[in-house]
Amino acid sequence: GQQVKQSSPSLTVQEGGISILNCDYENDMFDYFAWYKKYPDNSPTLLISVRSNVDKREDGRLTVFLNKSGKHFSLHITASQPEDTAVYLCAAGGGSNYKLTFGKGTLLTVTP
Amino acid sequence: GPKVLQIPSHQIIDMGQMVTLNCDPVSNHLYFYWYKQILGQQMEFLVNFYNGKVMEKSKLFKDQFSVERPDGSYFTLKIQPTALEDSAVYFCASSFLGGSYEQYFGPGTRLTVL
Repeated sequence: GQQVKQSSPSLTVQEGGISILNCDYENDMFDYFAWYKKYPDNSPTLLISVRSNVDKREDGRLTVFLNKSGKHFSLHITASQPEDTAVYLCAAGGGSNYKLTFGKGTLLTVTP
Repeated sequence: GPKVLQIPSHQIIDMGQMVTLNCDPVSNHLYFYWYKQILGQQMEFLVNFYNGKVMEKSKLFKDQFSVERPDGSYFTLKIQPTALEDSAVYFCASSFLGGSYEQYFGPGTRLTVL
């Protein structure tokens, strides 16, 4: 089964609103959690990440929340803008050799 | 930011042929990765490579797959022979010396096996 799951394939938010993207995971060994942004035919770009020793990290309009007991992490984007429209991929890693396990992605559409 | 390039962007080949996918990683990175994404599915780890050796590979990394980076040139993924189920987008990534989860990805090569 999928070790990292994004249950919403799509999300639509009005400009200026808060976008909340969610990710659930299964593997207790994961200790690195990240969000990537991807435009069609482009590279996934790392937006923000956290290690398991923190439960929140902010960077400008982006905040990652980590709930280890619930095996859940989320990305909040405040003051959402049309240029935030993209696919958002969550990813997790743990153990050796630095491999990442990805979710399927959520297409965020920010409407003017 | 740092860029990873992949050549070609698209490749169409007949089943049974050999294909080589090329990755030009970030210049001071020494860990390299390949991920595979079948249409409609998530990106999945194939293999990572450091200091001339495969460090870890997944069950998707079949015997027909091989990776190398001869003399600091492209990091390559070779499939020989190809099968229909190899049709996918293949993403290359690299990370800084010492290994890191902060991986920089290329735009992918879309491989179609007919």
